[in-house]
Amino acid sequence: EAGVAQSPRYKIIEKRQSVAFWCNPISGHATLYWYQQILGQGPKLLIQFQNNGVVDDSQLPKDRFSAERLKGVDSTLKIQPAKLEDSAVYLCASSLVAGNTIYFGEGSWLTVV
Amino acid sequence: GESVGLHLPTLSVQEGDNSIINCAYSNSASDYFIWYKQESGKGPQFIIDIRSNMDKRQGQRVTVLLNKTVKHLSLQIAATQPGDSAVYFCAENIWGNTPLVFGKGTRLSVIA
Repeated sequence: EAGVAQSPRYKIIEKRQSVAFWCNPISGHATLYWYQQILGQGPKLLIQFQNNGVVDDSQLPKDRFSAERLKGVDSTLKIQPAKLEDSAVYLCASSLVAGNTIYFGEGSWLTVV
Repeated sequence: GESVGLHLPTLSVQEGDNSIINCAYSNSASDYFIWYKQESGKGPQFIIDIRSNMDKRQGQRVTVLLNKTVKHLSLQIAATQPGDSAVYFCAENIWGNTPLVFGKGTRLSVIA
């Protein structure tokens, strides 16, 4: 069974530039999550989708972060404009249904300079 | 707010010894707990989980113990190997309801 796929794996941008990350969850998983992991810390939930609807985006900095899952499968997370403190690993994860065991991708490593 | 935390940030063990990684949780409503292993440059990898109706669950070389009375979770790794070196996170939620909340992690270093 294929795992959660993410791209790009690494990205370096200057502050105030924009960046987009893509995620393809495990086949059949209805729930998709984006987590932010700052070095030395545990992952923090940014947004949760159930199919193509947003379930929880309370921790998403909406002035600069946006995410969509238009067809209920793939998802894109965008940051515009990026700040230095956005340097982190952006982890996509999925679960069969909400609240079940979550499986993570390898992450997209963002460095903002 | 309520959160999941860890007692020790780092743990060094000799190869072949058993490792015990501890975690304290404060949300008494949580009924599902997971341990994840995260190797350098990779995403968290599911190790083992446990529901609140159990106090012990065993996997291959790993055992998770849950003490609901003192809200404590532990991960035991038998015969620790160099490949076990990683950061270990506990996470908790209310099954089928809330998203997982992660602690800060414990780094396990295996000394050959």
